Amino acid sequence: NAGVTQTPKFQVLKTGQSMTLQCAQDMNHEYMSWYRQDPGMGLRLIHYSVGAGITDQGEVPNGYNVSRSTTEDFPLRLLSAAPSQTSVYFCASRQFPTGSYQPQHFGDGTRLSIL
Amino acid sequence: ILNVEQSPQSLHVQEGDSTNFTCSFPSSNFYALHWYRWETAKSPEALFVMTLNGDEKKKGRISATLNTKEGYSYLYIKGSQPEDSATYLCAFQNTGTASKLTFGTGTRLQVTL
Repeated sequence: NAGVTQTPKFQVLKTGQSMTLQCAQDMNHEYMSWYRQDPGMGLRLIHYSVGAGITDQGEVPNGYNVSRSTTEDFPLRLLSAAPSQTSVYFCASRQFPTGSYQPQHFGDGTRLSIL
Repeated sequence: ILNVEQSPQSLHVQEGDSTNFTCSFPSSNFYALHWYRWETAKSPEALFVMTLNGDEKKKGRISATLNTKEGYSYLYIKGSQPEDSATYLCAFQNTGTASKLTFGTGTRLQVTL
């Protein structure tokens, strides 16, 4: 089972460049989310989606865009990369709506460095 | 922003020791409490999703308890093994924003021979 697949695994960007982190899941999960993980901090929610066509902001959305055109895919776009966005990014999915008490499934992460 | 705290931040035990960690969360508007195990260079893996006050869950040598009235959960590992070395994360879901999880910063466990 593929589960949650993130690409790329590593990326180095220059300040001001844009890029898209890809996330796909094959479990037919309605809920998908993006987190960033920084030293000394927990996983912080960037954006999330409860279904195709529906997205919302999390705790740290500035500098990032998302879209959800299909159930399977939830790409994260960095509009103009800044050194403060150097981080490890995780995509996650789970069943939704609430009432199902399901855990989240995480991708393997994308390690992003902005120079 | 909800406050989810885990203690201790890190823990170093000998093989065979039993240990426990704490996750503290808001005691109001509780929906669920998640525990994840996160090995270095891998992705977090779900251990438990706990939903009711007094819940106890067990998976092998790992177990967890839940007190929603006072806002804490304990994770226990009995007879720690080197393969238990990982960061253990808890995440709180409340009823108001039930689609989102708020994570603690984790407890990093290292088990040595």
